[in-house]
Amino acid sequence: AQKVTQAQTEISVVEKEDVTLDCVYETRDTTYYLFWYKQPPSGELVFLIRRNSFDEQNEISGRYSWNFQKSTSSFNFTITASQVVDSAVYFCAQLYTGGFKTIFGAGTRLFVKA
Amino acid sequence: NAGVMQNPRHLVRRRGQEARLRCSPMKGHSHVYWYRQLPEEGLKFMVYLQKENIIDESGMPKERFSAEFPKEGPSILRIQQVVRGDSAAYFCASSPIRSGTLGANVLTFGAGSRLTVL
Repeated sequence: AQKVTQAQTEISVVEKEDVTLDCVYETRDTTYYLFWYKQPPSGELVFLIRRNSFDEQNEISGRYSWNFQKSTSSFNFTITASQVVDSAVYFCAQLYTGGFKTIFGAGTRLFVKA
Repeated sequence: NAGVMQNPRHLVRRRGQEARLRCSPMKGHSHVYWYRQLPEEGLKFMVYLQKENIIDESGMPKERFSAEFPKEGPSILRIQQVVRGDSAAYFCASSPIRSGTLGANVLTFGAGSRLTVL
């Protein structure tokens, strides 16, 4: 069965600090996708990244970076030099090929204080 | 190029009334998913539909909830005889192809419909 665990319920940092959001997934499938979504206070869900299980290369996009490690079933998300606008709930999610449901973790609420 | 459109954005109902939530997928998308987000919780899958077909409704409560995606018009999530526990944000997402397909695109979410049951 699929499961996505985001152990950090809330994180509070001061602006310009780096912060890492943890995501651990469980699956028996060899082919699957992992995602991160952002939900700002306005409530919509914003797609950030998709990773497939065959691609373990880390990715960097501006201040965002993602570390995918199959050996530990983790797909962690780091924000470098955080800004107040990064304050949001961040969801990690998983989809296996052949399935219909994207399974979401419970989310991590990030507070970035000025 | 409008994204996924959901309406109403906010809906207030009294216990026992019916709630109808609408979702128009992105242009060219024929696959619709409904998710529910209870306060302070993550998103829970409810149902996956293609035009005129329910593909997977394993996340739908057995009673009072139904969904459809007709050939013409938006997808509708219908909740009959609402109770306070139905208060939540209901998100619709769409994709152009079945999301489990290799190389599938990402789900595009609407802004959500927030249901409050008094």
